[in-house]
Amino acid sequence: ETGVTQTPRHLVMGMTNKKSLKCEQHLGHNAMYWYKQSAKKPLELMFVYSLEERVENNSVPSRFSPECPNSSHLFLHLHTLQPEDSALYLCASSRRDPLGGGELFFGEGSRLTVL
Amino acid sequence: AQSVTQLGSHVSVSEGALVLLRCNYSSSVPPYLFWYVQYPNQGLQLLLKYTTGATLVKGINGFEAEFKKSETSFHLTKPSAHMSDAAEYFCAVSGNAGGTSYGKLTFGQGTILTVHP
Repeated sequence: ETGVTQTPRHLVMGMTNKKSLKCEQHLGHNAMYWYKQSAKKPLELMFVYSLEERVENNSVPSRFSPECPNSSHLFLHLHTLQPEDSALYLCASSRRDPLGGGELFFGEGSRLTVL
Repeated sequence: AQSVTQLGSHVSVSEGALVLLRCNYSSSVPPYLFWYVQYPNQGLQLLLKYTTGATLVKGINGFEAEFKKSETSFHLTKPSAHMSDAAEYFCAVSGNAGGTSYGKLTFGQGTILTVHP
């Protein structure tokens, strides 16, 4: 198993659909992240979970709903998305670091296209 | 607040030539600095990182970077480019400015490296 696994790798959905992205980490980490990568824009941090508690929510629209049932799994539930939400969604994990310097380990991403 | 600026969204070199990708950062606390590489249709892979100690950091695939506090820079270099180095490279900064215990990274805009035969 690779360190961080994301499914599906590709997803096409209409604006009225409901879908979910899944992330699983096999590294024993206890912090997990969702990043959005759009063309010609820096990576945007969306959500952070530390010890299964959401600790960051960077002004993300409510049509994105994260869920972290345990330290190994992270979901991003999607509903009524807009075409501008089309992007590569990257999941990452890290160990907790009191100095805040823990490196992130990324999955390969889920390419989302909203029609 | 922290920020990262990567100078040059595209860099093109010939195979065997020196690779230099520039990164400048801003941080209110001692920074941790990272370089990540992203190949097409893949996630980000860590190349190297600076936390404390030696300011010249060696990473994978022959890359290295030097932390220069006076210049707030962390430029990435490789003496001789290979075709397989063609990818997008991201510089990132992290630090416990917010008192968090997790890695809150701020990324630069990325630099696409093209290697010509």
